[in-house]
Order: sequence, then C-alpha cells, then structure tokens
Amino acid sequence: SAVISQKPSRDICQRGTSLTIQCQVDSQVTMMFWYRQQPGQSLTLIATANQGSEATYESGFVIDKFPISRPNLTFSTLTVSNMSPEDSSIYLCSVAGRMGNTEAFFGQGTRLTVV
Amino acid sequence: AQKITQTQPGMFVQEKEAVTLDCTYDTSDPSYGLFWYKQPSSGEMIFLIYQGSYDQQNATEGRYSLNFQKARKSANLVISASQLGDSAMYFCAMREATGRRALTFGSGTRLQVQP
Repeated sequence: SAVISQKPSRDICQRGTSLTIQCQVDSQVTMMFWYRQQPGQSLTLIATANQGSEATYESGFVIDKFPISRPNLTFSTLTVSNMSPEDSSIYLCSVAGRMGNTEAFFGQGTRLTVV
Repeated sequence: AQKITQTQPGMFVQEKEAVTLDCTYDTSDPSYGLFWYKQPSSGEMIFLIYQGSYDQQNATEGRYSLNFQKARKSANLVISASQLGDSAMYFCAMREATGRRALTFGSGTRLQVQP
C-alpha cells in the first residue's frame, strides 16, 4: 500500500488568509487527487494533479482559489486562497496504489476551520 | 456520467451481529471498480475492500465482504460480527476504467454499533 503523509492535520485560519496543504507519498505516482469534504457531506473532487502539467479542475473549482503544485512524482500541494468560513472542510489527497485500478489511498486529511 | 447512491443515511446494529450497507451505482463504462471506505470521526479514509467489474467472485477481506450483483448494479458491504470500533461513516465509491481516474463517492452511511 502507498503511505501518504498529509499536513497540517488541522488548522484554524482567519478569513482572507491562505493555507497550503502538503501531501507526500512514499512512492512515485502518476496522478494525485485532491478532494474536499464539507461538514456532513461526502467527498467531492477538486482537481487532479499531474506532474509536469497544470492541474485539471472539476466544475465549480478554479485555479485562483485552489492553486495546486506538483513539482515531482511524490509530492503535491493544495492552497486554499482568500479563505471564507464556507471553506471550512476536510481536505484530502489521494493516489492510486501500485496495483493500479484496485487500490486508492488517502492521506490523513486536513481539517480546516475558517473564522 | 457515473453515479453512486447510498440510501441509508444511518444504520444501527448490535455488537456481534452482521450488517449490510447498501450501494447502487450507475455507469455506461463496462470496466469499473467499486470501493468501500470507512471514515471514523478523525476524518481519515480507511480503504476496506475492492471489487472489479469483471471479477467472478465477490470480494472478501476479513470481516468485510462485498455482495456484488452486477445485473442490479449493486455493491453492498457486509460487515460480520460487528464491533464497537466499527462505528463510523462508510462510503461507497466507483472508478471507471476510462476518462477521469478519480473516485466518485456516494453520500455515505453512518453506522452505529450498540453494545
């Protein structure tokens, strides 16, 4: 299984500020995914982070609000910019495992509260 | 477009009893994978079990088994001999073989195991 280290695990931020979440994987992976889980809701895909190219964003998510970096095959960051209380969520990164389609692993999640 | 439906917002089960969590899906892709995850209150996503669309047998992993009925497009999770530590949110998810490689999640079922 892939081991994913995500940090910070939680944070409380002031509105109008930005937070960068880091995701480190113990092996090289082609695609990394960023999800948002709003309180009491399911997981929604924000974007797919590909190494060497711009991230692919889902409908309703824009690069200015959620810039993503993918400098190499084991690391990615997601920034939540100009935060408002509506951004309070759990943010999770995910990768497929070495077994390709049969595995999908998640980081521990970042619980963000915006006040 | 792929869709996952979990119709049970909450379930109760007595300790040591078995419980079935329902999941139905919709996809036009003949090749896909179905996943179940457990999310405790800490927020991490714990991978439980995987079923491929072409797998001939139902998947099993310890106390977890997947009742896969392809014609009905259902992939129910069965937890045998429930334990207090099984109390958590459970999410069903699907990945299609083509197109977007990320997971699409159902709305989740909150399971409470009672002593």
